[in-house]
Amino acid sequence: EVQLVQSGGGLVKPGGSLTLSCAASGFTFNSFSMNWVRQAPGKGLEWVSSISSSGTYVYYEDSVKGRFTIYRDNAENSLYLRMSSLRAEDTAVYFCARDYRTTLTTFTVDYWGQGALVTVSS
Amino acid sequence: IQMTQSPSSLSASVGDRVTITCRASQSIGSDLNWYQQRPGKAPKFLIYAASSLQSGVTSRFSGSGSGTDFILTITSLQPEDFATYYCQQSYSTPPTFGQGTRLEMK
Repeated sequence: EVQLVQSGGGLVKPGGSLTLSCAASGFTFNSFSMNWVRQAPGKGLEWVSSISSSGTYVYYEDSVKGRFTIYRDNAENSLYLRMSSLRAEDTAVYFCARDYRTTLTTFTVDYWGQGALVTVSS
Repeated sequence: IQMTQSPSSLSASVGDRVTITCRASQSIGSDLNWYQQRPGKAPKFLIYAASSLQSGVTSRFSGSGSGTDFILTITSLQPEDFATYYCQQSYSTPPTFGQGTRLEMK
């Protein structure tokens, strides 16, 4: 069974940093691109970042470029999102999600983590 | 690429057939996906490539369209179908979602 278990959310002050984690199991992690998608309270879904299966290629939404870093540890079957210079508008539930195809980065996701709430407030 | 869904909300009854429309601001071929999200839960993957049903998803869901105009159809509505539905284009970066359509029980 494919599982994505997230951790690391919480309350952080504006300008602060936080790292989200996503532990994967039930599939060959190093064969799939992975993604982060967020959802502000009461709002819709917003794609944040993607990383290729090897970690070689990364993509970011414009508003997080230079502030967020996506990375993965294929030996540990884990995905991470390092967030810095956080702003109030980054407040959201962050979901990790698996690409639905192996090897390729298609920006189509099939399995999702349970979500982690990040609140940026003083 | 902007994705616009209509309607934003919809009321229907168990057993009804409903359609949700998604329009892209430019042609995206068939690179269109649909997701369902229940309150407090992660989204669920329903349809990819505009009309391909994800494994394990009931055939009461179907998708159609290409280019800029797409439709999600749900037949014989069941209580578990009342949720919010999002379209998403995977044609170009950044991938973008529609604003969502909230399907409510009448």
